[in-house]
Formats: sequence, structure tokens, C-alpha cells
Amino acid sequence: DAKTTQPTSMDCAEGRAANLPCNHSTISGNEYVYWYRQIHSQGPQYIIHGLKNNETNEMASLIITEDRKSSTLILPHATLRDTAVYYCIVRTGGFKTIFGAGTRLFVKA
Amino acid sequence: DTGVSQNPRHKITKRGQNVTFRCDPISEHNRLYWYRQTLGQGPEFLTYFQNEAQLEKSRLLSDRFSAERPKGSFSTLEIQRTEQGDSAMYLCASSLERTVFGYTFGSGTRLTVV
Repeated sequence: DAKTTQPTSMDCAEGRAANLPCNHSTISGNEYVYWYRQIHSQGPQYIIHGLKNNETNEMASLIITEDRKSSTLILPHATLRDTAVYYCIVRTGGFKTIFGAGTRLFVKA
Repeated sequence: DTGVSQNPRHKITKRGQNVTFRCDPISEHNRLYWYRQTLGQGPEFLTYFQNEAQLEKSRLLSDRFSAERPKGSFSTLEIQRTEQGDSAMYLCASSLERTVFGYTFGSGTRLTVV
């Protein structure tokens, strides 16, 4: 599976959009981009995934660049409860998921 | 269905004792995964099952670790002769085979070896 690069930590003001970047320059054509988040002392929570097109659900939006070498997870109106570690993962559907260190997002009042 | 259930939530054991954790996946999910997570790190893959077959084991899974999924439903992870380095959060997740969707994780079992 391709590796991803994420910033170690980011801050965001409550109510503002949180934009979390991820670099996956070695992604292959059949690999999807997945995002999970992990709130302290809980298991990871699946947020969203995409292959080529931008995706949106009730939790977030995923923007994938045309060359698929990077993506951005957008939380449109961050709240204090969005403070968590966010993991960007690329994998082929049906294969195991390998986690990196993720980005620690701090949402501040 | 209430999601993936893990028991116990917390376990404190003395070094050298054996411990067993249980995971009940979402009922229609035929894949079940075990991960281990230490403080400040992302979850590390340990092993996964498709139905009752254990398809892959990480090198992290030493001989002291064994996992089973006898009837393709719940799974157990046993650690024999625990060591202080085994202290971690043990996470279970489940999914459908070949799904492009993400996994559903349980809340984990936190093991402390004293």
C-alpha cells in the first residue's frame, strides 16, 4: 500500500473550516483514499473515502487532486468535539488498513 | 446491531499472567481485524480473519499471542506470559469482504501489565 504524509499537528478555531492535507504521491490507480479519526481513548472512526472524485457526506468533504497525488479532508464548521487524531490512508479495496501517525487536530474556542 | 463490542474495556494483570480479550463484530461482517496501539502511535495491524480462517499475521504477533475466530463470529485474542511491553490498547474492527468502505472499530481493551 502507498504511504501517506500528513502534518503532525494543526490548530483550528471553533466554527471555522478545518482543512487537513495529505500527500500520497505514490498512489496507484486502484487505491482509494480513506480518512479515519480517533478521539482520545476511543477506537478509530471511519469518516469518508474516495477514488477520483470529490466526496461529501454528513461528516466531511474529501477533495482529491486531479493527479490523485494529494487530498484534503474538510470539516466545514469545526467544533470542540472534532479535536482528534485524523488518519489518511490509501489502500486497495479489500486489503488490510495500515495506519500512520496521523494529524492531531486541536479545535480551539 | 450495536456495532463492534470489545470486552473487557480495561484489564490490569501481573507480569507472567495470561489474558484473553473478546471481540464481537457486526453480525453480517465476515472480516475481523485485530490492532494494537501504544500511546502516541497509530494502530498497528496484528492479524485478520475472513470468516473462521486467519488469513494474515503480522510479525508483531509473537508466539505468545494467539487469535481465534472459531465459528466465524466472535474472536478472542490471548496473550500468554504477559510482559510489561504488552501494555497497550487492543482494538478490534470488522468489515465486509472486498468492501471499499471503511472498517468499524470497537472501543478497544486497554491492557496494563504491572
